Amino acid sequence: AQTVTQSQPEMSVQEAETVTLSCTYDTSESNYYLFWYKQPPSRQMILVIRQEAYKQQNATENRFSVNFQKAAKSFSLKISDSQLGDTAMYFCASPSIQGAQKLVFGQGTRLTINP
Amino acid sequence: DAGVTQSPTHLIKTRGQQVTLRCSPKSGHDTVSWYQQALGQGPQFIFQYYEEEERQRGNFPDRFSGHQFPNYSSELNVNALLLGDSALYLCASSYRDTFSGNTIYFGEGSWLTVV
Repeated sequence: AQTVTQSQPEMSVQEAETVTLSCTYDTSESNYYLFWYKQPPSRQMILVIRQEAYKQQNATENRFSVNFQKAAKSFSLKISDSQLGDTAMYFCASPSIQGAQKLVFGQGTRLTINP
Repeated sequence: DAGVTQSPTHLIKTRGQQVTLRCSPKSGHDTVSWYQQALGQGPQFIFQYYEEEERQRGNFPDRFSGHQFPNYSSELNVNALLLGDSALYLCASSYRDTFSGNTIYFGEGSWLTVV
């Protein structure tokens, strides 16, 4: 992707609720991947989930799932049954050039899960 | 199996000085990328090293340089430090591949403060 946009700087929900983080992107590539990374206070960037653009089925990893709308270039992350440990910065990202593994990140969404 | 390791964790430098940050990739990985993450922002790609050569470069001045050693470890050097260079510097390692996002692993970063 050439640009990745996250329009929600901060979000806050109660524990056990479901929350959806939004992401839009722009790319001229025909085949690409999209990722959601989590960055807790420890600062390490952890891959949460990835979506292959040529797959129509939305990716799911336990409580995490995506809503991938290729035509709209939208890639949202849904966290079900949110837990206190989900509190972190969440970044949407995509490789900018095929094969280069150079990631373009969004600005991030700070998610707080309240007890 | 050790993941991506970075050193030092924190450091403080004076404007105009030079700094060297170090990264050891995850076992089995041969490609190292460096990112700069300013406070409250998403990571920005600096450059990528593979086979001891710089393969891709982001929009960073020549003050930012790097090196990759035969054992795949890497250094990031920044000369003539500016206050604006204060940031978290993330190292990411991967195996040279195309669109294999799940092989991109990040270290915990080096916090650089320029005073």
